[in-house]
Amino acid sequence: DGGITQSPKYLFRKEGQNVTLSCEQNLNHDAMYWYRQDPGQGLRLIYYSQIVNDFQKGDIAEGYSVSREKKESFPLTVTSAQKNPTAFYLCASSIDLGMGRQPQHFGDGTRLSIL
Amino acid sequence: DAKTTQPTSMDCAEGRAANLPCNHSTISGNEYVYWYRQIHSQGPQYIIHGLKNNETNEMASLIITEDRKSSTLILPHATLRDTAVYYCIVRPRITHGSSNTGKLIFGQGTTLQVKP
Repeated sequence: DGGITQSPKYLFRKEGQNVTLSCEQNLNHDAMYWYRQDPGQGLRLIYYSQIVNDFQKGDIAEGYSVSREKKESFPLTVTSAQKNPTAFYLCASSIDLGMGRQPQHFGDGTRLSIL
Repeated sequence: DAKTTQPTSMDCAEGRAANLPCNHSTISGNEYVYWYRQIHSQGPQYIIHGLKNNETNEMASLIITEDRKSSTLILPHATLRDTAVYYCIVRPRITHGSSNTGKLIFGQGTTLQVKP
C-alpha cells in the first residue's frame, strides 16, 4: 500500500549528539513536510520541501537540518544545537505545496527523547 | 487563515452517529474546510474536505452551511476505534509565488470519546 513510513518509532538522544529521523513516501508526492508536536499542543512546521533538491525553513527550523536528494525521501537531522528536542516528530507529504484539492498525509511519527 | 472554533470534548454512544461541529465564521471564498483526526501516539489521519458542497466518503460526511460559516463532521456509526482528537482546519488554495508554505494549523480540536 502507498503511504509514508517514518523510522524509528522511538529514538533516544544523548547530550551533544546529532540524530537523524527517516521519512520515506511512495505516494509520488512532490511536497514533503516536517512538523513537531509537543504534549497537548498543535503541530509546528520545522522544514518543508516543494520539490527535489529544494527545501525551506518553517517556523521553528533552528537546531534542525534536512536534505531532499530523492523525491521519496526527506530525512530530518536533530542537531546538538536543538536544546529542547524531546517531542513527537511528524512527516507529511502532499501532491503539491498548497492544500488545493489534495490533502497532506502523515506518517505515524517518531518520538524523540533525551537520555 | 480563517480561525476555527470547536468544542473541547464530546461523548458518543457506540453505534450512534457522532456529529462534530466547527465554526469558521471568517472563512473566505477560496478556503477549504478540512478534517483530520489523531489517535493517541499516531500521526494525524485525513478524513474529508470540502469547499461549498456537502461531501461524503467511506469514513464520514461533511455538511457545510450555505453561508460556509460553520460545518459538521458526521461519523454515521461510531465505533470505539473512532475515539480520537478531531481537528477542523481551514486552508486556502495554493497561490503560486506567494509565501504559502502549505503548513497545516491545528487548533486544540475536539476530543471525541466513544463509549460502549
